[in-house]
Amino acid sequence: QKEVEQNSGPLSVPEGAIASLNCTYSDRGSQSFFWYRQYSGKSPELIMFIYSNGDKEDGRFTAQLNKASQYVSLLIRDSQPSDSATYLCAVINAGGTSYGKLTFGQGTILTVHP
Amino acid sequence: DTGVSQNPRHKITKRGQNVTFRCDPISEHNRLYWYRQTLGQGPEFLTYFQNEAQLEKSRLLSDRFSAERPKGSFSTLEIQRTEQGDSAMYLCASSYTPSYQETQYFGPGTRLLVL
Repeated sequence: QKEVEQNSGPLSVPEGAIASLNCTYSDRGSQSFFWYRQYSGKSPELIMFIYSNGDKEDGRFTAQLNKASQYVSLLIRDSQPSDSATYLCAVINAGGTSYGKLTFGQGTILTVHP
Repeated sequence: DTGVSQNPRHKITKRGQNVTFRCDPISEHNRLYWYRQTLGQGPEFLTYFQNEAQLEKSRLLSDRFSAERPKGSFSTLEIQRTEQGDSAMYLCASSYTPSYQETQYFGPGTRLLVL
């Protein structure tokens, strides 16, 4: 079982729709959760982070965390063609010697079509 | 704004040659990370430094790989006797807060192609 799993997609949504990206993780000791956006050929760009159960909103983006289910998601409202990218879920386990190390999922490719 | 910078941005080398990459973190950041990313995969952790101390190395980091951060500022990643399997994007990230709430910011990456 991979430590962090995402549907690789591609996920295709029409412009203006809500895009829903999902991520599950295996380590219950995971403390911090991040969503990065990566355009083709570029490096990851931080979108949001979340530490506590529940929802966290930032503009068109909402991150949701459920530690009991070991599940984190990202909702993108009013999707735009410029949102087309690979979305990476990443997790930090604060325990042991891996303090601060990000463990990434394989990424979900999102395509927003006009 | 001086974000994380990496040089070179692209490197083409022949199998068996040595290559060295440089990363300059955000100036006040005390932690520096190296990751490697291959096509279709998420980045994989290689190693990280807190100030000048290298605190962890991944099992992915064979003996041919070495990293340094001599004065707690910039870092170098050297690959000796490169192999075709080393072809990847090498990413550097830095962060400030030494807690589980730290946020890492990535540089533009160095894309390595080994022929």
